[in-house]
Formats: sequence, C-alpha cells, structure tokens
Amino acid sequence: DGGITQSPKYLFRKEGQNVTLSCEQNLNHDAMYWYRQDPGQGLRLIYYSQIVNDFQKGDIAEGYSVSREKKESFPLTVTSAQKNPTAFYLCASSRKTSGNTIYFGEGSWLTVV
Amino acid sequence: EDQVTQSPEALRLQEGESSSLNCSYTVSGLRGLFWYRQDPGKGPEFLFTLYSAGEEKEKERLKATLTKKESFLHITAPKPEDSATYLCAVQDAYSGAGSYQLTFGKGTKLSVIP
Repeated sequence: DGGITQSPKYLFRKEGQNVTLSCEQNLNHDAMYWYRQDPGQGLRLIYYSQIVNDFQKGDIAEGYSVSREKKESFPLTVTSAQKNPTAFYLCASSRKTSGNTIYFGEGSWLTVV
Repeated sequence: EDQVTQSPEALRLQEGESSSLNCSYTVSGLRGLFWYRQDPGKGPEFLFTLYSAGEEKEKERLKATLTKKESFLHITAPKPEDSATYLCAVQDAYSGAGSYQLTFGKGTKLSVIP
C-alpha cells in the first residue's frame, strides 16, 4: 500500500541525548515536511524539503536537524539543544510544495525522561 | 502574518443533530484551504481542499464551504464515528519562498453522543 511510514511510534529519550525519527514515503512525492503538535496548539512546521539534498527551516527549526539523501526518506534528528522536545511529531509529503494536498503519516510520540 | 482561528474549541452533539464548525482565516492571498480529520494519537487525514470563494465540496455527511474570510464544515446527521478533532489549514499564495507552508488552526474537538 502507498503511504507514509513513521518509526518508531513511541520513543523515550534521556535528557542530553539526540534521537532520530524515521520517515519513509512510497508515494513518489517530491516534497516532505516535519511538523510538531503540542496539546492545545496548531501544527507547527519544523523543516521541509522540496528536492533531494535540499531542505529549508520552518518556524521552529532550532534544536532540530534533517537530511534528504533519498527522495523517499526524510529523517528528523531531535538534538539535545531542543529545550522542550516532548511532543507528537508528524511527517508529511506532497507532490509539490505549493497548492497540492499535504498527506500525513501516523506520527511519532517522543517523551523526554 | 497568516492566522487561522477555529471555533468552537469543542462541540458535543447528539447523534443526528446537525451543526457547523467555523474556520476564520487571514492571509495575503489564499492558495488553498484544507480540512483534515484527526483521531486521537493518529496523523491528520485529508478531507477537502477549497481554492476560491463560493466553492463547496461534500463527502458523506460532511460539506465544506468557503467565503473570502472563513470556511464552514457542515456535519449533517452526525454519527458517533464522526467524533474526532477537525483541523483547518490555509496556504498563502504570497509567502514568497514559504508559499508551500500550511498555517493550521488549533482544531475543533467534536464528540457525537449516541
């Protein structure tokens, strides 16, 4: 089946550790995105990528890093510099960045312990 | 700065009791307005895209409409399985390099009671 696969679904991290969230899509979409969702707030854009080997910061990029070495993959690293990393992280993709529908994966829960 | 405000924050309906959710928005120029459904612990599921004022789209018990300042999601004779959080998002046509970006509202949590 075509779709967006995020892993792991649940992740616990100790303070001071970096963690990487995986996102893979088989929709042949050009653009990929990472959003963060906190209770009572709208989704906020962390990073996005329009093509392989290129990506741009969103509204809340500080403390995060990404790579786009393959069209299908867009992993997100939450670094120890992210002050409040506990959240629900959503990966998404679309055929092109402007005007087309953005589709979401099932999300990853990150908890800092 | 683009803004999206959804109301009410929460809505409880009896099964079969029709109602509407509101999404008010401010953008320089609207490229598209998107409605999503989100179940607890899941990613948002795409419902509709609206591009211009006067446009309407329907899917089962849901109907989305658009004006120059707001969008409504009408729910006709809802069932308990319609219970979810409904998210509205806009894409600004004049954000320059950021024209890809969606600005989301905080959502309306709908509960349909049997």
